[in-house]
Amino acid sequence: AQKVTQAQTEISVVEKEDVTLDCVYETRDTTYYLFWYKQPPSGELVFLIRRNSFDEQNEISGRYSWNFQKSTSSFNFTITASQVVDSAVYFCALSEGGTSYGKLTFGQGTILTVHP
Amino acid sequence: GAVVSQHPSRVICKSGTSVKIECRSLDFQATTMFWYRQFPKQSLMLMATSNEGSKATYEQGVEKDKFLINHASLTLSTLTVTSAHPEDSSFYICSARGRFYEQYFGPGTRLTVT
Repeated sequence: AQKVTQAQTEISVVEKEDVTLDCVYETRDTTYYLFWYKQPPSGELVFLIRRNSFDEQNEISGRYSWNFQKSTSSFNFTITASQVVDSAVYFCALSEGGTSYGKLTFGQGTILTVHP
Repeated sequence: GAVVSQHPSRVICKSGTSVKIECRSLDFQATTMFWYRQFPKQSLMLMATSNEGSKATYEQGVEKDKFLINHASLTLSTLTVTSAHPEDSSFYICSARGRFYEQYFGPGTRLTVT
């Protein structure tokens, strides 16, 4: 069975601080996909990134960066120079590959609050 | 623009009534749709997977007779909550997967049962 754990339930930072959201996953599949989503108060999920199990390259997109380490089954997300607009719930999620692709197991979510 | 829509975005109904939620893929054909439920301050939990033209596959603990899912076309799946009760109040989100494994979430439907 797949499992995703986001150890931090809530994080509170002051604007311009860097913040890292942790994600640890469990799966027996060799092909899988990892995702991060942002959920603002409206509820709509905003896709941030997808990574497949064969690509361990770290990625940077503006102020966002992701660190994927298969050796520790982790897929952590860092926001550099946080802004108030980054305040939201962030979910890490895992999907099998193949015909089950898209069937997501979500972590518990991390509530990020960025104070001005 | 949004590629998956849900209707309605919010619905309030009385206990004992049924509510239908639609999930539409707007500019691609969704061979598979997934339905998730999210209770307040909780994570998203998969309820069921539906493939076009087939019966839905429900996750353990989800009552198939209560949550009726129909995926009659490549652009539309519906979730009907039958005989709704206050404990069914939740945020229901669909996601649609296309032939090329593109996948998008709908904006969600907030159901309140009074």
